[in-house]
Amino acid sequence: NAGVMQNPRHLVRRRGQEARLRCSPMKGHSHVYWYRQLPEEGLKFMVYLQKENIIDESGMPKERFSAEFPKEGPSILRIQQVVRGDSAAYFCASCVRSYNEQFFGPGTRLTVL
Amino acid sequence: GENVEQHPSTLSVQEGDSAVIKCTYSDSASNYFPWYKQELGKRPQLIIDIRSNVGEKKDQRIAVTLNKTAKHFSLHITETQPEDSAVYFCAASSNRDDKIIFGKGTRLHILP
Repeated sequence: NAGVMQNPRHLVRRRGQEARLRCSPMKGHSHVYWYRQLPEEGLKFMVYLQKENIIDESGMPKERFSAEFPKEGPSILRIQQVVRGDSAAYFCASCVRSYNEQFFGPGTRLTVL
Repeated sequence: GENVEQHPSTLSVQEGDSAVIKCTYSDSASNYFPWYKQELGKRPQLIIDIRSNVGEKKDQRIAVTLNKTAKHFSLHITETQPEDSAVYFCAASSNRDDKIIFGKGTRLHILP
């Protein structure tokens, strides 16, 4: 039973390019959360999705950032026109239902040059 | 919305001694309080959680206490060992909005 998978683990982009981060939740989990973690800081909530629905995107910047969790396939966090300030570790977590233990993926470390 | 404050930001403890990390929350509707441990370069992992219908929960050397009236909860690690060195995050959640809000973390150093 594989845990939460994220790819790529490391992603380097130049300013202005697009970054696409993928998250495959644990089998049987239909709730996905994305977090951003800056060096030496905590986990900042970005967005909460269920299959084909965005439930809460209050933590995600309104411009350049978008997320989806299609009926088939992984959840995608997309950052358009990346800037240096987007450099961070992005973690996704999944759970069976809300209000329960969240299982984290290994994270994607995004570096914007 | 919910706001979680965590103290201290850094804690150094002699091996074998106890460590205590404290958190406060603002939303009285919060009723689920997990604690995560994150080792350097790794993913956060749940170590213990507590729901608001209990005041204390223990799992071997780790215990968590919750005071709903004061809106604070604490993590206690006894007989600390070198492998306890990590960053610990408290968090709070309610079934009103389904998201978990994390504290900023405590970096725990276990000194030999």
